[in-house]
Amino acid sequence: DGGITQSPKYLFRKEGQNVTLSCEQNLNHDAMYWYRQDPGQGLRLIYYSQIVNDFQKGDIAEGYSVSREKKESFPLTVTSAQKNPTAFYLCASSSNRVGAFFGQGTRLTVV
Amino acid sequence: GNSVTQMEGPVTLSEEAFLTINCTYTATGYPSLFWYVQYPGEGLQLLLKATKADDKGSNKGFEATYRKETTSFHLEKGSVQVSDSAVYFCALSEDSWGKLQFGAGTQVVVTP
Repeated sequence: DGGITQSPKYLFRKEGQNVTLSCEQNLNHDAMYWYRQDPGQGLRLIYYSQIVNDFQKGDIAEGYSVSREKKESFPLTVTSAQKNPTAFYLCASSSNRVGAFFGQGTRLTVV
Repeated sequence: GNSVTQMEGPVTLSEEAFLTINCTYTATGYPSLFWYVQYPGEGLQLLLKATKADDKGSNKGFEATYRKETTSFHLEKGSVQVSDSAVYFCALSEDSWGKLQFGAGTQVVVTP
């Protein structure tokens, strides 16, 4: 089936650690996105990429990094510089003919 | 900058009741408008969309009309079911349809 796969579903990070969230899509979409969701809030854009080997900062990029070496993959690294990383992270890909498709999310918790 | 404002929840309804969730927006250009739905512990699913003024998006009994004069995109459903219990997000996009500005979300709870 076509779709977006995020892994892991749950992730625990110790203080000072970097962690990487995986996002893979087989929809052949050019554009991919990372959003952060906090309780009672809407989603906020972290980074996006409209083409391989290129990406742009969103509204809350500080403390995060991404890469886009393949069309299918857009991993997000949460660095130790992100002071409040506990949140639900959602990856999406889009085509202007049908809109954005979201993965099932990764819940990151700092322990 | 752009912004989306939705009515606060939770909205609690009985089965077969009429549902309305208000959504208004501010934008510098002519955005496309979307409603997404999120079930507990899951990602978002596109519910419906409208790309220009007076367009009506519809899906699964839900409808919303793009009203440029009132900058609104209210979501309605005539008869809700328990399975409609979820969080609903209104969103806009001015360019790429994945680069979205979201409202805070409205939780809907439908009781039997």
